[in-house]
Amino acid sequence: GAVVSQHPSRVICKSGTSVKIECRSLDFQATTMFWYRQFPKQSLMLMATSNEGSKATYEQGVEKDKFLINHASLTLSTLTVTSAHPEDSSFYICSAGRGPDNEQFFGPGTRLTVL
Amino acid sequence: GEDVEQSLFLSVREGDSSVINCTYTDSSSTYLYWYKQEPGAGLQLLTYIFSNMDMKQDQRLTVLLNKKDKHLSLRIADTQTGDSAIYFCAESHSGAGSYQLTFGKGTKLSVIP
Repeated sequence: GAVVSQHPSRVICKSGTSVKIECRSLDFQATTMFWYRQFPKQSLMLMATSNEGSKATYEQGVEKDKFLINHASLTLSTLTVTSAHPEDSSFYICSAGRGPDNEQFFGPGTRLTVL
Repeated sequence: GEDVEQSLFLSVREGDSSVINCTYTDSSSTYLYWYKQEPGAGLQLLTYIFSNMDMKQDQRLTVLLNKKDKHLSLRIADTQTGDSAIYFCAESHSGAGSYQLTFGKGTKLSVIP
């Protein structure tokens, strides 16, 4: 149990376009989902925490108008990178929290390349 | 703020034991984790330990926690080529049912056949 999927796994887009990444908890309900970004050879950096039905909480330095997060249901959260630029190219990983302690289960990640 | 430090690289021979070390600064950490990341993939939780424990063993994995020194280690016995990956140490402290993880930069383990 506790499977989290992400779609797409890879996406290449042109500069200036928007890209939507989906994160789904397949066999459990997740009140809280987390979005991380990973640069090459670096650690995971938490971007934002989203709670179902409310606005996401963004970490310092993360532009909320650029990285739109929607958590419309207990099994789905989306991250939309708006007006993407090459510096947004990265590996984006989501996790879904389960249980009273919000134990996190990670998705497989999405590789975004902006040309 | 919280900080988690790891050495970046470790190379071992197949069959030997690997020991990956991690230090953290947040004394209020409740849980400490080890995650494995294979190339191009997401994170896989290997094991975790509560801060009131000193040791946890799970098959080939042994986690040691020295809370006084804020030092965590992961020992992999009989290391195999399939263990080659990046290993992340992470810490969290729970609060109001929603906790966040702080990750180290990861240790790349290379297993030499």
